[in-house]
Amino acid sequence: DTEVTQTPKHLVMGMTNKKSLKCEQHMGHRAMYWYKQKAKKPPELMFVYSYEKLSINESVPSRFSPECPNSSLLNLHLHALQPEDSALYLCASSLQETQYFGPGTRLLVL
Amino acid sequence: AQSVTQLGSHVSVSEGALVLLRCNYSSSVPPYLFWYVQYPNQGLQLLLKYTSAATLVKGINGFEAEFKKSETSFHLTKPSAHMSDAAEYFCAVSVGGGKLIFGQGTELSVKP
Repeated sequence: DTEVTQTPKHLVMGMTNKKSLKCEQHMGHRAMYWYKQKAKKPPELMFVYSYEKLSINESVPSRFSPECPNSSLLNLHLHALQPEDSALYLCASSLQETQYFGPGTRLLVL
Repeated sequence: AQSVTQLGSHVSVSEGALVLLRCNYSSSVPPYLFWYVQYPNQGLQLLLKYTSAATLVKGINGFEAEFKKSETSFHLTKPSAHMSDAAEYFCAVSVGGGKLIFGQGTELSVKP
């Protein structure tokens, strides 16, 4: 089973809202990732967690706050987002070099 | 810096025709290479991967890719296109530390 799940599937939020995206995997992978993807573009890496510790932050604005409560869960907390943050947010987990992606959360910021 | 180049942002083939999606990479070390497919409004699905074993890699849905070190290429092929193959395809190389470098993507259209 190579399944990564993400909730919610869609999210609409105002610029003053606080919301969270959730990602879960039960494959025993010890690395998890957040990506942002704009239409017709490849995914852009935001954060990498390795063994539940943040190992890479690709200079992401502080209005995005990742959290890894345990080895199976990854959250992305959103606060005071801008309309340009509207995108598909993808979670992935990896076994060695191979990353497996979730279905994504389509985020619209109004 | 390592990079991935996908030739052709859009490829159109007829149903039943050969699919060829091109990918060239630059890497100073033996790479891990991947092809992913993304259907509309979905996440990325792993099609196949090269991890320095056999140079001809078979993936899901009848796709395969051949690693050619001399040409630094990893082109994706399928002998006979099906309407359901219409999607965006991304080539990627692993650069270590959990990072993937993606190509810009190729949109495949399949005409009936």
